[in-house]
Amino acid sequence: KQEVTQIPAALSVPEGENLVLNCSFTDSAIYNLQWFRQDPGKGLTSLLLIQSSQREQTSGRLNASLDKSSGRSTLYIAASQPGDSATYLCAVRNSGYALNFGKGTSLLVTP
Amino acid sequence: GAVVSQHPSRVICKSGTSVKIECRSLDFQATTMFWYRQFPKKSLMLMATSNEGSKATYEQGVEKDKFLINHASLTLSTLTVTSAHPEDSSFYICSARSGDPINSPLHFGNGTRLTVT
Repeated sequence: KQEVTQIPAALSVPEGENLVLNCSFTDSAIYNLQWFRQDPGKGLTSLLLIQSSQREQTSGRLNASLDKSSGRSTLYIAASQPGDSATYLCAVRNSGYALNFGKGTSLLVTP
Repeated sequence: GAVVSQHPSRVICKSGTSVKIECRSLDFQATTMFWYRQFPKKSLMLMATSNEGSKATYEQGVEKDKFLINHASLTLSTLTVTSAHPEDSSFYICSARSGDPINSPLHFGNGTRLTVT
């Protein structure tokens, strides 16, 4: 059974800092990995999708990497802003259609 | 981009009543939708996979008679929590894939906060 772990569980940084969120998974036979953002009491917003054949994906200030063989992914946020404060979820897809989620990293960016 | 709309966003009901939650794909057709449940500080847990025109596939431990799923069209899936109890209080989120079932991203609704009193 796939297990997804996210470290750290919570993170507080001052505005402007670059930061890295970590995700690890136990079964490396994945189709793809997706990073989401969730604001309190809201649904999930898809940030980046990395296919198993890819090493990284970039969108604006966000960069996600994937090392499938070691079961790791990182989400890099450059020049963090208070509006980036949210919970960031990592999810992997093995066979089948559904995703396996980590518990998330709660990020607070202080002005 | 692909939009998934979920309604209602919040609902409070009394024990023993039933509650229906709707999930719509607004600008794409979804033959498959997924229903997740989220507990505070926990991962999202897949409850069931909703298949258009056929029976839903439930995950182990999820009572199919309690959580009724109907996927009557390519843009609408509903989850009905029957005879709700306080322990059913949770955040329910639906999702759908907008394209290639293998490679396309999963899009989520805004969720429904259910409180059973």
